[in-house]
Amino acid sequence: QQQVKQSPQSLIVQKGGISIINCAYENTAFDYFPWYQQFPGKGPALLIAIRPDVSEKKEGRFTISFNKSAKQFSLHIMDSQPGDSATYFCAASGGGSYIPTFGRGTSLIVHP
Amino acid sequence: GAGVSQSPSNKVTEKGKDVELRCDPISGHTALYWYRQSLGQGLEFLIYFQGNSAPDKSGLPSDRFSAERTGGSVSTLTIQRTQQEDSAVYLCASSTQGALNTEAFFGQGTRLTVV
Repeated sequence: QQQVKQSPQSLIVQKGGISIINCAYENTAFDYFPWYQQFPGKGPALLIAIRPDVSEKKEGRFTISFNKSAKQFSLHIMDSQPGDSATYFCAASGGGSYIPTFGRGTSLIVHP
Repeated sequence: GAGVSQSPSNKVTEKGKDVELRCDPISGHTALYWYRQSLGQGLEFLIYFQGNSAPDKSGLPSDRFSAERTGGSVSTLTIQRTQQEDSAVYLCASSTQGALNTEAFFGQGTRLTVV
């Protein structure tokens, strides 16, 4: 059972454009929603995370939007750069479990 | 060390052989996770260790898979009688564990190829 659904599977944007990746979750007890960035040959690394007491969190060009009632959250990358080309994973945990459940990932390619 | 260290970085083994994958977590991190990453399948949870508690083995795909964590630090994932479908990148992560969920720090992974 896939508890976190991520879309799209792949995304191609032009340099300077906005990249948007969406995730939906099922477990209403989840209380921690991180996004991880993974470059080829490397392990995933935390990019930005949000807790459900806020609807948006911004760090530089990266923003998480969180909709608790819809059980959805999304990652927005503003002014996308070729260096942002990577695989992005959303995740969720909580409700008594410390084990993050990951989405299937989005392969982002930013063309120069 | 400064980060999570995994060894070997690459492993090629023959079908039917046993393999051991090692993970050195960040010092002081009480939680340790193993995940498997297959192409297009995201990160599949395998097993979770937290301090001295019994591990959560709910993600292990078969009884050919086992893991242990010695002294609350180093962990070894063992796959017995490897099959071709075991080919994947095996990722280890560690984290601190308090009242709230926090960031998991990942190693670079071990790429396992079963031929």
